Amino acid sequence: NAGVTQTPKFRVLKTGQSMTLLCAQDMNHEYMYWYRQDPGMGLRLIHYSVGEGTTAKGEVPDGYNVSRLKKQNFLLGLESAAPSQTSVYFCASSYRTGSYQPQHFGDGTRLSIL
Amino acid sequence: DAKTTQPTSMDCAEGRAANLPCNHSTISGNEYVYWYRQIHSQGPQYIIHGLKNNETNEMASLIITEDRKSSTLILPHATLRDTAVYYCIVTGNQFYFGTGTSLTVIP
Repeated sequence: NAGVTQTPKFRVLKTGQSMTLLCAQDMNHEYMYWYRQDPGMGLRLIHYSVGEGTTAKGEVPDGYNVSRLKKQNFLLGLESAAPSQTSVYFCASSYRTGSYQPQHFGDGTRLSIL
Repeated sequence: DAKTTQPTSMDCAEGRAANLPCNHSTISGNEYVYWYRQIHSQGPQYIIHGLKNNETNEMASLIITEDRKSSTLILPHATLRDTAVYYCIVTGNQFYFGTGTSLTVIP
């Protein structure tokens, strides 16, 4: 099993460009999450999904949109990229949220916006 | 969700036990304590979690105080590959990662 797979692994964008980050999981998990991690900081939750067709805002949702059209995929979109969105983006999934279900993480997408 | 307090950094000699403390004095009754680690810039790796009782798995042991206001992650025989940032997370519905403890295992 691949677990959680993120594509692309690296990307450089110019300010104002748009792009979509793809997260795919093969564990039949209901819940999926997008985080960002800035240098020297912990992960911060951007958006999450509790099931196919549902999404919700996390701690830092501004400037991002998400979609969960298929259970196994969770897409993170940047409509108009800004330098402040330069970060490492991690996707995670779990059977259900919170208390007793650990999250499984991908290896990240390193995004630079010039 | 309860917030956590961890030391910024710790060192441990290779082969010795690494004891990583975490303070979570505002934890509520239904919140679990999770530990993750992040090696270099890889995705966080789940280590262990618990509610009230002490827990042990193949990677580590988790000791939770009786009042649940603090916990300790124990790596029984630290190796160089255990050098990483360790995150203590207390959660109900969402995971809040702080800055964690940077553990350096010294040869």
